[in-house]
Amino acid sequence: GAGVSQSPSNKVTEKGKDVELRCDPISGHTALYWYRQSLGQGLEFLIYFQGNSAPDKSGLPSDRFSAERTGGSVSTLTIQRTQQEDSAVYLCASSSTGHPTDTQYFGPGTRLTVL
Amino acid sequence: GIQVEQSPPDLILQEGANSTLRCNFSDSVNNLQWFHQNPWGQLINLFYIPSGTKQNGRLSATTVATERYSLLYISSSQTTDSGVYFCAVGYNQGGKLIFGQGTELSVKP
Repeated sequence: GAGVSQSPSNKVTEKGKDVELRCDPISGHTALYWYRQSLGQGLEFLIYFQGNSAPDKSGLPSDRFSAERTGGSVSTLTIQRTQQEDSAVYLCASSSTGHPTDTQYFGPGTRLTVL
Repeated sequence: GIQVEQSPPDLILQEGANSTLRCNFSDSVNNLQWFHQNPWGQLINLFYIPSGTKQNGRLSATTVATERYSLLYISSSQTTDSGVYFCAVGYNQGGKLIFGQGTELSVKP
């Protein structure tokens, strides 16, 4: 596709439910990143996939958060037993090679609201 | 970890005015990007500029890596320039970007 796409654009869920957020990177990009934007914390890194390497999970805030990337393309971020503090905009980005000097391109985000 | 500070936090301009946004970072970086977040939340790439100077229309950016700062210049501002401007840096620890807190710009007609 022309850019990074994410779905759904909005998600409202009840506390305690599990949610899955999807990201489709730019075609041919080998690196994929998840970030979160919340009022109190700004924009923060969550997890990074680069090719077949083990993902960098250093930004995941708790073990309720996990992500996978199937076939080196689409990624799913899963939040189990959602809490109100998980409410945020979840942003996905991709870059061509995953080298630290690459430009990252962002999707439109998924706005998650936990009631 | 590396710290990224942006100033000013808020800026109100009259249409047609010029402005300078600043980004300070606390360590050497190998990636620096400026983004504009529009009112719909989309992060739009403005510049990839770990060093040097670039210009794109009314926008230009300069990064002085040895002094650990970057500047974003907006000339002849327009109402469509409103939104939040973020500076983000990457360094040796993988590909993740560390974001500043942003500068919220409001351009009045």
